[in-house]
Amino acid sequence: EAGVAQSPRYKIIEKRQSVAFWCNPISGHATLYWYQQILGQGPKLLIQFQNNGVVDDSQLPKDRFSAERLKGVDSTLKIQPAKLEDSAVYLCASSPGQISYNEQFFGPGTRLTVL
Amino acid sequence: QKEVEQDPGPLSVPEGAIVSLNCTYSNSAFQYFMWYRQYSRKGPELLMYTYSSGNKEDGRFTAQVDKSSKYISLFIRDSQPSDSATYLCAMSVGTGGFKTIFGAGTRLFVKA
Repeated sequence: EAGVAQSPRYKIIEKRQSVAFWCNPISGHATLYWYQQILGQGPKLLIQFQNNGVVDDSQLPKDRFSAERLKGVDSTLKIQPAKLEDSAVYLCASSPGQISYNEQFFGPGTRLTVL
Repeated sequence: QKEVEQDPGPLSVPEGAIVSLNCTYSNSAFQYFMWYRQYSRKGPELLMYTYSSGNKEDGRFTAQVDKSSKYISLFIRDSQPSDSATYLCAMSVGTGGFKTIFGAGTRLFVKA
């Protein structure tokens, strides 16, 4: 079974530029998560999708971050404009979506550096 | 106060040692407790999953939850160099991965 795919793996941009990350979850997984992991910290949830609907985006900085999950499969996370404090690893995870299931399967992440 | 506190380490032990990793939390509503392992430049992977209080064992790994003290632990017996990684505790109020809160992670080094 293929895992969660993310691209690009690394991205370096200057502040005020825009950037987009892409995630392809495990086939058939209804739930998709985007996390931000700053160096030395645990992952912090940015947004959670159930199929193509948003379940939780309470910690997403909506003035600069946006995310979509078209057709309930792939997802993109965009930052516009980027700030220095956005430097982090952006992790995508997926899970089957069953209410009794808690395990999340993570991709390798995209490491963003904002200069 | 953070909802989940975890000592970042690093923790360095010799091969074969018993390792104890811990987290404390403040939200008494947490019922689901997980331990994830994260190797350098990789995403986290689930190691152990426990519901409510008690112990759970899987091979060399034992997870303990003490809800009365709001304290969870992961024990690794006969530690191996391949166990060198960051260990993240995580917990949630409900199922389905909703509002999972992660600790900062403890970095573990097992020396051969």
